[in-house]
Amino acid sequence: ETGVTQTPRHLVMGMTNKKSLKCEQHLGHNAMYWYKQSAKKPLELMFVYNFKEQTENNSVPSRFSPECPNSSHLFLHLHTLQPEDSALYLCASSQESAGSYNSPLHFGNGTRLTVT
Amino acid sequence: GENVEQHPSTLSVQEGDSAVIKCTYSDSASNYFPWYKQELGKRPQLIIDIRSNVGEKKDQRIAVTLNKTAKHFSLHITETQPEDSAVYFCAAFYGQNFVFGPGTRLSVLP
Repeated sequence: ETGVTQTPRHLVMGMTNKKSLKCEQHLGHNAMYWYKQSAKKPLELMFVYNFKEQTENNSVPSRFSPECPNSSHLFLHLHTLQPEDSALYLCASSQESAGSYNSPLHFGNGTRLTVT
Repeated sequence: GENVEQHPSTLSVQEGDSAVIKCTYSDSASNYFPWYKQELGKRPQLIIDIRSNVGEKKDQRIAVTLNKTAKHFSLHITETQPEDSAVYFCAAFYGQNFVFGPGTRLSVLP
């Protein structure tokens, strides 16, 4: 059971496709995140939104485009991906990301993306 | 920026034994250190955390210790059970974001 829901759970796409990942949190949090999890590598932060404003873009290629219409929803739009982009994409939320106050991340179950 | 190292990368223990996972961080400005457990095919879940003004925290079989001077913190699991088998990640909150360690795969052998 999780307060952070991600869809789809699995996605297979070709390099010319356009797809979107969706994340929704029901925890009343103000910050939302996209992380990439590849085998044998640390979790890589991609994007951070705090109160709907993007506060971090961790040198992510432009073929990944985030969208945060409100504090509860986060999207990751994908286009012209490469096979090396295949990974588990995790969404997370926290009470707040900025300043001296911090709180733990609550993760969704992730989307397993395979780029063919 | 912050860098978090984690050791060992894999750990096997007999059921009932203790397991210890260690992490080091590089920037003394980091002030919050959560630990996550990720079972196969599942999401990372917070199991325990510690803030920089505390040296030790315990929750049943799980404990975390923090040495700010040496910039390292450790996860201790006592009386391990097969359901403790998972990948464990440490993290440090730095600036405005979390920096994760590479993970430790713990196997508890029955």
